[in-house]
Amino acid sequence: GQSLEQPSEVTAVEGAIVQINCTYQTSGFYGLSWYQQHDGGAPTFLSYNALDGLEETGRFSSFLSRSDSYGYLLLQELQMKDSASYFCAVLNTNAGKSTFGDGTTLTVKP
Amino acid sequence: DAGITQSPRHKVTETGTPVTLRCHQTENHRYMYWYRQDPGHGLRLIHYSYGVKDTDKGEVSDGYSVSRSKTEDFLLTLESATSSQTSVYFCATVSSGKTDTQYFGPGTRLTVL
Repeated sequence: GQSLEQPSEVTAVEGAIVQINCTYQTSGFYGLSWYQQHDGGAPTFLSYNALDGLEETGRFSSFLSRSDSYGYLLLQELQMKDSASYFCAVLNTNAGKSTFGDGTTLTVKP
Repeated sequence: DAGITQSPRHKVTETGTPVTLRCHQTENHRYMYWYRQDPGHGLRLIHYSYGVKDTDKGEVSDGYSVSRSKTEDFLLTLESATSSQTSVYFCATVSSGKTDTQYFGPGTRLTVL
């Protein structure tokens, strides 16, 4: 079977750093993606890791350890607009088929 | 943005009626996906398509069928809607040249009474 585990909720204050973890057990692994979804909106792509290590995109970074079946999304200098749900997703095939976690709701407080 | 639209955006229907949701894309992306999203859950894959007339089942396909007669259109049909199919439905596309990124449509909120 396929399963991804991530915390259901995280709360942090503006300007802080927060890390959202994701562990996975899947058949077929090409990489780990992260998506952001604001209330009432569509998910949007944030980052992708195919290899072990850290990928940085502005205030957001994503990390992958294939041997540990683990990854995380790091959000720095949190802003109120970062309040959203964040989903990790395993890319199962080279045709984009993915399995999503249940999402982590991030609340950023002033 | 990948130029993905979904129609209708909102629909209320009665139990037992057939419903068809449409996903239309203008990016010529080869791969297309239908998901449902329920409170407290992530996106669960219903059906997907690897090309015209090439479709397959996802993890929650019971009660749903799909068709893809053109690259740009992917239709999801609920044969006989049930209250358990009340959900938000998202369509996504993936380019064959960059398969790590899914581009999502705005979603369709379906209520089955």
